[in-house]
Amino acid sequence: TQLLEQSPQFLSIQEGENLTVYCNSSSVFSSLQWYRQEPGEGPVLLVTVVTGGEVKKLKRLTFQFGDARKDSSLHITAAQPGDTGLYLCAGAPDSWGKLQFGAGTQVVVTP
Amino acid sequence: DAGVTQSPTHLIKTRGQQVTLRCSPISGHKSVSWYQQVLGQGPQFIFQYYEKEERGRGNFPDRFSARQFPNYSSELNVNALLLGDSALYLCASSLPRGSGNEKLFFGSGTQLSVL
Repeated sequence: TQLLEQSPQFLSIQEGENLTVYCNSSSVFSSLQWYRQEPGEGPVLLVTVVTGGEVKKLKRLTFQFGDARKDSSLHITAAQPGDTGLYLCAGAPDSWGKLQFGAGTQVVVTP
Repeated sequence: DAGVTQSPTHLIKTRGQQVTLRCSPISGHKSVSWYQQVLGQGPQFIFQYYEKEERGRGNFPDRFSARQFPNYSSELNVNALLLGDSALYLCASSLPRGSGNEKLFFGSGTQLSVL
């Protein structure tokens, strides 16, 4: 089983600050996905990274896939209260229907 | 278009009882997956169904079973409930592998509490 470890477990910052969330594995993944989950809701896909070294930007969110495809990071610039949520990384051994999730990083952005 | 719908939204059961959770996928999606999310953890894969056949099973006991109907909706059954089965049960639907658009869409889940 390929395990995904996320760090930190919890992050509390003020509005306007930057933050980085990490997702690491001892195994190689063909691709990784990042999700955000809000209380009482299911996870919502933010991005899929496929190529080693790939960088994708989604407004103030920057996603990076490690060269060896064993790790990924999510960087949020000038965080806003609307960025509050549980950020999950996930990989799929053979099918996107059978995702393996990390434990998540709970991000709280206060005004 | 409606998203993935799950029912009920909340459920309270006692140990030893049985429960059935329901999921309706997005129209046109033929693949349905079930996940269990215990508080403070990420979702854990339980089952995947495609075209009414089981295509994958996670590391869960035989007390967990599922099926998919001709209209692609799905049910998850859990027998002999244990306290540890208390969790948010998530259903997700997607277009099949190889379709070029395998994005997973999750429902809001069913919160199951076992007392």
